[in-house]
This record gives sequence, structure tokens and C-alpha cells, in this order.
Amino acid sequence: GIQVEQSPPDLILQEGANSTLRCNFSDSVNNLQWFHQNPWGQLINLFYIPSGTKQNGRLSATTVATERYSLLYISSSQTTDSGVYFCAGNSGGSNYKLTFGKGTLLTVNP
Amino acid sequence: DGGITQSPKYLFRKEGQNVTLSCEQNLNHDAMYWYRQDPGQGLRLIYYSQIVNDFQKGDIAEGYSVSREKKESFPLTVTSAQKNPTAFYLCASSVRSAEAFFGQGTRLTVV
Repeated sequence: GIQVEQSPPDLILQEGANSTLRCNFSDSVNNLQWFHQNPWGQLINLFYIPSGTKQNGRLSATTVATERYSLLYISSSQTTDSGVYFCAGNSGGSNYKLTFGKGTLLTVNP
Repeated sequence: DGGITQSPKYLFRKEGQNVTLSCEQNLNHDAMYWYRQDPGQGLRLIYYSQIVNDFQKGDIAEGYSVSREKKESFPLTVTSAQKNPTAFYLCASSVRSAEAFFGQGTRLTVV
């Protein structure tokens, strides 16, 4: 199955800083998602981004499917951005198994 | 509102007991999933179902069982054969293999 590697595993920022989180896949993916896990454990959908670039406020994401990676950009970080960020993907079609990376733990200090 | 509802939020199990976690969705999604998360870890797939009356084992199915009798419902039973059941359990649904949406999770603790 697909292997998903996220980097960095941990990231500490001062409020207002920018950051880039990376997700590498061992094989081609046709479905790729980014999630933020809130303090209560719920997974919040950030982006569904099989390819290309999307933006939502201070967050944006880019997936380069041919090179099997995706990037999540957080600009002007806020303390509320703290938490764990996961990427996950599958090869689509009849393959329903969504495989997760181990996540990036982001801490934004005031 | 459309969404995925998991219940209960917290569940305590005695050694040797079976317990069932509920997952209901009203998004009209055909696929549903169960994941397990251990502290500081990513999510691992337990079971998934692409259509009613059909389900497939994920990566860590041993000690778990599921049923899919209705499109809206995908309950997970943690059996006594699961030796280390204390974890956070998340249910998800999707339209085919596309974007997945998650419930709020159930924290299971063995006492």
C-alpha cells in the first residue's frame, strides 16, 4: 500500500511566523487531503487537493501529483493554529483505503 | 445539519467485555470507515465498507468486527479478543474513494 511521510514531525513558531509542512507519498495518489486535529480530537478538513493549488484565508496547499508530494502553507500563524496536521491519500478508483501520515505537531507561541 | 455522529463520546470497558461503538451519517455517502488513533500516532484503518452489506478489513482488523446493514450506519464492535483496546476511535464517510469526512470520535478506556 501507499506509504505517507510527513515532515517535520514537530514545529514551534512564534505568532506571526510563516511555515511549510510537507507530505511525501511512496506511490501515485489521486485523492489527497489535509486535516487539522483540534484539541478535542476531531479532524477538521482543510483541503481536498489531488493536484494544483488552493487557498483558504491564511492557509494554502499545493499538490504536485507527478512528483508525489504536497505542501501546506500557514501564513501569519496564530495560537489557534496549534495542533496536529495530517495529510492522507489513496490512489482513487476502487482503492478506498485512505492512508495517513504520522502528522506534524505545530505549536504557535504568543 | 448533515454530518457524522459517533456515540458515545467516552466509553469504559471491563476486561473481557465486548463493546459497540456507533457511527451514523446523513450525508448519503456510500463508503464508511473506522480508524484507530493511539496517543501521538497517526490514524490506522480498522475496517471500511464501500456499499451496504459489504465490508473489508483494514490494516488492524484483528479483535474488531463490523456490520453494514444500512447505508447510514456502520457500527464497530471491539471484542474481548482485542488485547489493547484503549484508544481514540474515529469514523468517517465519503462518496466513493473521494474526500472523507470524520465524526467527533469515541475515547475507549479499559478499566
